[in-house]
Amino acid sequence: GIQVEQSPPDLILQEGANSTLRCNFSDSVNNLQWFHQNPWGQLINLFYIPSGTKQNGRLSATTVATERYSLLYISSSQTTDSGVYFCAGAGGTSYGKLTFGQGTILTVHP
Amino acid sequence: DTGVSQDPRHKITKRGQNVTFRCDPISEHNRLYWYRQTLGQGPEFLTYFQNEAQLEKSRLLSDRFSAERPKGSFSTLEIQRTEQGDSAMYLCASSILSEQFFGPGTRLTVL
Repeated sequence: GIQVEQSPPDLILQEGANSTLRCNFSDSVNNLQWFHQNPWGQLINLFYIPSGTKQNGRLSATTVATERYSLLYISSSQTTDSGVYFCAGAGGTSYGKLTFGQGTILTVHP
Repeated sequence: DTGVSQDPRHKITKRGQNVTFRCDPISEHNRLYWYRQTLGQGPEFLTYFQNEAQLEKSRLLSDRFSAERPKGSFSTLEIQRTEQGDSAMYLCASSILSEQFFGPGTRLTVL
């Protein structure tokens, strides 16, 4: 199956700073999603982005499918951005099976 | 709110007991997924339904685990003879096409 590697594992920022989270895939994917897990454990959808670039407010994401990676950009970070960010992908015939990375733990200090 | 719902939100049980969780997908979503997440890890796929048909099962889904979606709407996940290693967050998701939307999860603690 697909292997998903996220970096960095931990990230500490001051409020207002920008950050980039990366996700590498071992094989091509036809479904790629970014999530933010809130303190209660719920996964909040950020982007569905198997290819291309999308933006939503201070967040944007880019997937370069041919090179098997995706980036999540957070600009002007706020304390409420703190939490765990996951990327997940599915490919081949297992398009229903999302494989998640280990996550990036983001801490934003005031 | 018409998101994915799960019940119960928390379950504490003793080792050896059976537990059953329920997931109600977003209305009209024909695909339903179960995942399990242990502390410090990303969620891991367990199984996937399209309508009432169970199309894929992970090797993580041992004989003690069974999932059903009898009418293609809600789904249940049953764990028989629970073990301490079953303690985890059980997440349900649904989709029409590829993008999956997750419920709040059921946190299981096996004593």
